[in-house]
Amino acid sequence: DAKTTQPPSMDCAEGRAANLPCNHSTISGNEYVYWYRQIHSQGPQYIIHGLKNNETNEMASLIITEDRKSSTLILPHATLRDTAVYYCIVRLGGGNQAGTALIFGKGTTLSVSS
Amino acid sequence: GAVVSQHPSRVICKSGTSVKIECRSLDFQATTMFWYRQFPKQSLMLMATSNEGSKATYEQGVEKDKFLINHASLTLSTLTVTSAHPEDSSFYICSASASLGEQYFGPGTRLTVT
Repeated sequence: DAKTTQPPSMDCAEGRAANLPCNHSTISGNEYVYWYRQIHSQGPQYIIHGLKNNETNEMASLIITEDRKSSTLILPHATLRDTAVYYCIVRLGGGNQAGTALIFGKGTTLSVSS
Repeated sequence: GAVVSQHPSRVICKSGTSVKIECRSLDFQATTMFWYRQFPKQSLMLMATSNEGSKATYEQGVEKDKFLINHASLTLSTLTVTSAHPEDSSFYICSASASLGEQYFGPGTRLTVT
């Protein structure tokens, strides 16, 4: 899997948008960008993933640049419960990747404060 | 999303004893399950990949005779830490892979070896 680079930490005020960047300059054409987060002492939680187009779900939006070398996860209205470590992971997607593990980097620690 | 459970959530054992951790996919069948280990302030590290009905594949540096993995059914994988030592104290997390390649994580098991 291609490597990703994320800032080690970010701060965000409650109610504001949190924009978490991720660089994946060596991503290949059939690799997806996945985002997971881990709240302290819990298992990772899936947030969103995408290939080329921007994606949005009830948790977040994912903006992928046209050259796919970077992406941004957006939490539109951060709350205290969004304080967690956020991981950006690049991997092949689809059912034929069911046997491939997710490899975690160091992620970004997001601290949301009131 | 799909649910993965782990049991127990916390366990304390004495040095030299063995501990079994269960990982179950509750509402889907998982051909492949993964086991991770996480030390304090570090990221998740993949230990092994477990396929139903076959031997697990261990990552480099993980002792297969110490960390016994059994994946006897499509909904259950177990990790047994044999002859546990204090340095095995860690947060153990499993994940299960669903049909389209998405992975769901369990809540983790905190192992403390005294």
